[in-house]
Amino acid sequence: DQQVKQNSPSLSVQEGRISILNCDYTNSMFDYFLWYKKYPAEGPTFLISISSIKDKNEDGRFTVFLNKSAKHLSLHIVPSQPGDSAVYFCAATRMNSGGSNYKLTFGKGTLLTVNP
Amino acid sequence: ETGVTQSPTHLIKTRGQQVTLRCSSQSGHNTVSWYQQALGQGPQFIFQYYREEENGRGNFPPRFSGLQFPNYSSELNVNALELDDSALYLCASTGPFNYGYTFGSGTRLTVV
Repeated sequence: DQQVKQNSPSLSVQEGRISILNCDYTNSMFDYFLWYKKYPAEGPTFLISISSIKDKNEDGRFTVFLNKSAKHLSLHIVPSQPGDSAVYFCAATRMNSGGSNYKLTFGKGTLLTVNP
Repeated sequence: ETGVTQSPTHLIKTRGQQVTLRCSSQSGHNTVSWYQQALGQGPQFIFQYYREEENGRGNFPPRFSGLQFPNYSSELNVNALELDDSALYLCASTGPFNYGYTFGSGTRLTVV
C-alpha cells in the first residue's frame, strides 16, 4: 500500500518556465510534508517543507502548496533552471509528541529535466 | 558543521554473507534513521535510533539490525544477504525539534 504517490515519473520543462511537481497521499495522520531533491550518486537534499496547519510555504524560487481536503501537495519552481534537473521526492511524516518528526514515507520520485 | 557521512560508498557481497554499513551523524543530531532505496523506488524506512535504542521500525525482517553509539554514529547490519537486498542504503540524522532529516550520500550494496 503506497501511502505517498508521485504519479508522474518524469517532467520536462524549458528553462525559465514553471515546473510543477505533484504528490498525493492517503494517510490522514500525516501532518508534515517535505520535498527532497536528489542528484545521482548523492543523498537526498532537503528543499522545503510544510506543516498541515498551512496551505502554502515559500522559499525563494520554491513554493509548496498543500490541499488537505484533497490530500494533495505540489511543488512549484519558478523560474526553472538547468541546475534544477534532478529527481524530486515527496515525503510525509507524523510529528511525534516530542516535536520532532518520525519516519519519512517517500513517493517514488519525479525526474525533472530543465532544458536550456 | 559536518554533514552525514557513510562508509563504504560501494560494496559487493555474496548471497548469504553478512554486511555492516557505517554512518556518522551530523554534529548535534541525536536521532539516526536508515533507509533502503531500491532502483526506481523512493527510500523505504528501515529503522530509527534515538539515544542508542531503536524507537521505530519499518517492514524489514530481523536480519536487518542496527546500533547507535554514544557519539551518535550508527551501524546497519544485514545478515544472510539476499539478492533483493541490493540497493542504495541511506543514513539520515536529525536533531531535537528539527523538522527535516539530513541524508548521507549512501552506500551502494550489490549482492551477487
